[in-house]
Amino acid sequence: GAGVSQSPSNKVTEKGKDVELRCDPISGHTALYWYRQSLGQGLEFLIYFQGNSAPDKSGLPSDRFSAERTGGSVSTLTIQRTQQEDSAVYLCASSLVGVRVGANVLTFGAGSRLTVL
Amino acid sequence: SQQGEEDPQALSIQEGENATMNCSYKTSINNLQWYRQNSGRGLVHLILIRSNEREKHSGRLRVTLDTSKKSSSLLITASRAADTASYFCATPDRGSTLGRLYFGRGTQLTVWP
Repeated sequence: GAGVSQSPSNKVTEKGKDVELRCDPISGHTALYWYRQSLGQGLEFLIYFQGNSAPDKSGLPSDRFSAERTGGSVSTLTIQRTQQEDSAVYLCASSLVGVRVGANVLTFGAGSRLTVL
Repeated sequence: SQQGEEDPQALSIQEGENATMNCSYKTSINNLQWYRQNSGRGLVHLILIRSNEREKHSGRLRVTLDTSKKSSSLLITASRAADTASYFCATPDRGSTLGRLYFGRGTQLTVWP
């Protein structure tokens, strides 16, 4: 696609429910990132994919959080048994990573705003 | 933490004035980037400066990098109301081109008409 697409744009859920957030990166972008942004805060790194594998998942806050990427394209971030502190905007980004590129410039989606009641 | 920190946290100016935002980081880097975020939107890449560069321009944007002080500045000249946004600096993993970018908390810039 022309840009990074995220869905849903807004999600309101009850505490204890599971949620899935989807990210469709730019076609051909090999790297995909998930960040979390709480109100008035900076970006908190969650996980990064290169192709379908996740070399760095160190930012996932707990084992309730998981992510997968299939076909080197779409990624899903799943939060199980949601808690109120999970409320945030979840941002996905993709990039064309490679030595030839020489730097890692991210293109972000508009985010999925999650509210846990 | 390698996270960059922007300063000031908030900046309020009149249209036509210049806005300067600073970023400090902790470890050696091979490049530094600045991003902009409008309210309720994702981040948009503005400019990248490499470690062997000291200054870079793009339109009304001027970025400097001082690797000895581990700091960068973003100058927006002749600001406009449409420049109102949050601005973030981002640094890569130590000595790496790949992998995560570290973002600071950002500077919230408000430009009054």
